[in-house]
Amino acid sequence: EAGVAQSPRYKIIEKRQSVAFWCNPISGHATLYWYQQILGQGPKLLIQFQNNGVVDDSQLPKDRFSAERLKGVDSTLKIQPAKLEDSAVYLCASSLLGGGGAFFGQGTRLTVV
Amino acid sequence: AQKITQTQPGMFVQEKEAVTLDCTYDTSDPSYGLFWYKQPSSGEMIFLIYQGSYDQQNATEGRYSLNFQKARKSANLVISASQLGDSAMYFCAMRGSNYKLTFGKGTLLTVNP
Repeated sequence: EAGVAQSPRYKIIEKRQSVAFWCNPISGHATLYWYQQILGQGPKLLIQFQNNGVVDDSQLPKDRFSAERLKGVDSTLKIQPAKLEDSAVYLCASSLLGGGGAFFGQGTRLTVV
Repeated sequence: AQKITQTQPGMFVQEKEAVTLDCTYDTSDPSYGLFWYKQPSSGEMIFLIYQGSYDQQNATEGRYSLNFQKARKSANLVISASQLGDSAMYFCAMRGSNYKLTFGKGTLLTVNP
């Protein structure tokens, strides 16, 4: 079974530029999460989808971050414009609707200079 | 609101010995799940073990076991016979009734030869 796929693995951009990350969850997983993990900290939930609907986006900085999951499968997370403090690893995870483990992709390491 | 507390920023253990990583949680949900993840220096988030709030027995997966004490709201991870490859960050996480997955700040485990 294929795992959660994320791309790109690494991205370096200048502040005020825009960037997009892509995630393809495990087949059949209805729930998809995007997390931001700053070095030395635990993952912080940015947004949670159930199929193509948003369940929780309370910690998403909506003035600059956006995310979509149009067909209830893969998802994109965008930052526009980026700030220095957005430098972090962006993790995507997915899980079955009924419970069990949430499985993570390898993450995208973003550096804003 | 959900909250996960990991009070041990760092732990040291000798190879082949057992170690317990602490986790306490707070939630008002009657049904929830508890998870432990391992994050090596490579950055991937590896799912280790899951405990449902209504499970009667403590979860075990190989050398990992979860010491679940519901009344105390604790879900400690026990690693038996530590190996050098167990050196990593360990995160406790909780998922409530809305499937929101919340993480603690993590514990850095170092296994000494």
